[in-house]
Amino acid sequence: GAVVSQHPSRVICKSGTSVKIECRSLDFQATTMFWYRQFPKQSLMLMATSNEGSKATYEQGVEKDKFLINHASLTLSTLTVTSAHPEDSSFYICSARWDRGEKLFFGSGTQLSVL
Amino acid sequence: QKEVEQDPGPLSVPEGAIVSLNCTYSNSAFQYFMWYRQYSRKGPELLMYTYSSGNKEDGRFTAQVDKSSKYISLFIRDSQPSDSATYLCASSNQGGKLIFGQGTELSVKP
Repeated sequence: GAVVSQHPSRVICKSGTSVKIECRSLDFQATTMFWYRQFPKQSLMLMATSNEGSKATYEQGVEKDKFLINHASLTLSTLTVTSAHPEDSSFYICSARWDRGEKLFFGSGTQLSVL
Repeated sequence: QKEVEQDPGPLSVPEGAIVSLNCTYSNSAFQYFMWYRQYSRKGPELLMYTYSSGNKEDGRFTAQVDKSSKYISLFIRDSQPSDSATYLCASSNQGGKLIFGQGTELSVKP
């Protein structure tokens, strides 16, 4: 299967700081990438859809000014959690739609802990 | 009603058992059906991918889609302790968002 790389895998930060998470498709071009949030024992919650070269589309209830998404190239999307607070602590996962069909491949996830 | 419904379990089986995981969906426009396996604190891994109705087999895994009843199944033969994970079904139409079920937590006991 195709490979999606996500970094960092774990980050601990102080309240008020900003954190950037990178998501790269290593062996295919991804015109569409997705960002999810996952709480323990729960399913994936879609936060936003990003298309290369255009603004991200956010799901209802997701603050676009807090969760900045940039999809500047066909292989890289970034999620920046601005002015992070303890309630932003969660597991964040990116995914990329394969360029030869509808398959979706996921990164390994980032555990964010805000102190 | 959620677009994709999945029993969250947990489901516990002895090693070597046949496991049956199931989902139902409500959107008739869904054409693409996937099963993912997720280990704790890891990203989901694509296990099976099916377009429209039918069966697909890959090793110990078989995926079935019945569009007439809007029913999706994953069978695991000769289950192993390493199969212990959360299994997520997901569906979409072309170019659309992938809609996930709640996930079923599976435990295979040695």
